[in-house]
Amino acid sequence: GENVEQHPSTLSVQEGDSAVIKCTYSDSASNYFPWYKQELGKRPQLIIDIRSNVGEKKDQRIAVTLNKTAKHFSLHITETQPEDSAVYFCAASHTDKLIFGTGTRLQVFP
Amino acid sequence: GAGVSQSPSNKVTEKGKDVELRCDPISGHTALYWYRQSLGQGLEFLIYFQGNSAPDKSGLPSDRFSAERTGGSVSTLTIQRTQQEDSAVYLCASSLAVVANYGYTFGSGTRLTVV
Repeated sequence: GENVEQHPSTLSVQEGDSAVIKCTYSDSASNYFPWYKQELGKRPQLIIDIRSNVGEKKDQRIAVTLNKTAKHFSLHITETQPEDSAVYFCAASHTDKLIFGTGTRLQVFP
Repeated sequence: GAGVSQSPSNKVTEKGKDVELRCDPISGHTALYWYRQSLGQGLEFLIYFQGNSAPDKSGLPSDRFSAERTGGSVSTLTIQRTQQEDSAVYLCASSLAVVANYGYTFGSGTRLTVV
């Protein structure tokens, strides 16, 4: 079946450093790629998304890039802060639903 | 409502019992999804409802799992003869229409523990 691979599974950074999370997908028809942040014990919340007609999108300290040819997209967080600590999930659309990656646990140390 | 509501928030059940999990989507959202999140794992798709169309049941792990959506709004996920491997957080999400245009809003989930 269709799948989304996400790396790394855990990521530890010092406050102020950048963090990058990478995902690859298998369905060439995928055209919507959201990223969700899930804090401990809470629901996943959408933080940024990108559609297939765009190569890059930025929102303050967060950016997402998409390479449709390579079926690859990435989340970039700059100037990380302790409150960025959470599990991040990438997803790709597949026939009107989302297929999620396995998540990246990001820890930002003060 | 203001968000996606799920009940109960926690459920402990004995192995072999049936359970029902409820999801009340955002008013006006035509699409409703159920996912399962096992401890430390990703989000596993279970089932998807869109308007009056036949649901996409391709993610249901066994015939013990079923779901319905009455009146295009509230949905109930039923697990019959629960097993310990069913223990997980069951997340519901709704979307204004097809996901590629609007994305999901998740509920807070139901944490199911089968003992």
